[in-house]
Amino acid sequence: DSGVTQTPKHLITATGQRVTLRCSPRSGDLSVYWYQQSLDQGLQFLIQYYNGEERAKGNILERFSAQQFPDLHSELNLSSLELGDSALYFCASSVAGERPNEQFFGPGTRLTVL
Amino acid sequence: GNSVTQMEGPVTLSEEAFLTINCTYTATGYPSLFWYVQYPGEGLQLLLKATKADDKGSNKGFEATYRKETTSFHLEKGSVQVSDSAVYFCALSDPTGGFKTIFGAGTRLFVKA
Repeated sequence: DSGVTQTPKHLITATGQRVTLRCSPRSGDLSVYWYQQSLDQGLQFLIQYYNGEERAKGNILERFSAQQFPDLHSELNLSSLELGDSALYFCASSVAGERPNEQFFGPGTRLTVL
Repeated sequence: GNSVTQMEGPVTLSEEAFLTINCTYTATGYPSLFWYVQYPGEGLQLLLKATKADDKGSNKGFEATYRKETTSFHLEKGSVQVSDSAVYFCALSDPTGGFKTIFGAGTRLFVKA
């Protein structure tokens, strides 16, 4: 158990809909990362938050947004969903700002868009 | 920019065979290097790490040495088990890039009994 929790574990929805994925980082970790993992794209970095502020952006679509709250949990919002958004979404956390910055991953949310 | 390249899979081995998964990187600074493993149906977990040149990371019989001269961090294990079947990701974290972590594409390993 990494100490990172993600809910829900599975999510099935229809095209055009909006969903919210939730992540609680390890106790004491200030940084949260979101990744998308699909069969053909591997692990894609979406976005990083550090202590409530956006720190780095990766290949995140404009239809996607995220935020980190004062209690450090984070939410990833996916809107106007398309079939191609079906994937595993992982959250990871780290202390951040210190070498080596290893990340601890949650179990993931499997999103299926029908 | 920073990048990680690892050998394409899948890699299929018999139990007790020797494993090597190649990983090379490019980085502007002095990154830390990692191997993560993803077992079926699970999230990634850190397997081993190295923070500076010539460091050797090791865990569960796996080893990797940080080679600055060849910009490599190859993963090795002397005798694989069926339970090692998983996807292995090489990654780097560069402090000059705000500690953003770059992952390789992953290498799937199948170990046959």
